[in-house]
Amino acid sequence: QQPVQSPQAVILREGEDAVINCSSSKALYSVHWYRQKHGEAPVFLMILLKGGEQKGHEKISASFNEKKQQSSLYLTASQLSYSGTYFCGTDGAQGAQKLVFGQGTRLTINP
Amino acid sequence: DSGVTQTPKHLITATGQRVTLRCSPRSGDLSVYWYQQSLDQGLQFLIQYYNGEERAKGNILERFSAQQFPDLHSELNLSSLELGDSALYFCASSPEVSYNSPLHFGNGTRLTVT
Repeated sequence: QQPVQSPQAVILREGEDAVINCSSSKALYSVHWYRQKHGEAPVFLMILLKGGEQKGHEKISASFNEKKQQSSLYLTASQLSYSGTYFCGTDGAQGAQKLVFGQGTRLTINP
Repeated sequence: DSGVTQTPKHLITATGQRVTLRCSPRSGDLSVYWYQQSLDQGLQFLIQYYNGEERAKGNILERFSAQQFPDLHSELNLSSLELGDSALYFCASSPEVSYNSPLHFGNGTRLTVT
């Protein structure tokens, strides 16, 4: 049930773009994205709901392909502050109570 | 600051012991979730409560139990502790029972079992 994220890690220079993918073997109702800096709590970035509704961050965008059971997070013109581990969380049905997270993608932004 | 308070921040104990981790959700949030994060690992869902009732269980061990009290704070009880239970335990809260709203995470309790 755990979604699969790719890549596992990516290293960029400041200003470059990044795409992080999240795929599930099950039908999805919602996809959440969170960023966690080392030693800190995960912080909410984005929710994508079945049907196209999105809630989230101004400078980060994401897509949700319901048919392919996939989501992608787009980080454009990356800043040093974007460094951290990104987790997608998925749940399979409206009202379901298990938000299951992927294994994470470690993003490093260098000056 | 997410508004979710977890205590204690650090806990060091010996194998075989029992500990209680406490979580106070954000004001107005009725759902509380517990996650376990081992070193450099992902977030493993343990259990969810909504307004005092258990709503979902993940891969939570039988040695672990939790409850949510009428004032909505929650406690996670870990007993017969083993070395492998060493991890960061996060509590999160949200206003709803479903996943239409973000989860707000506390700063976690770091448990070290020696």
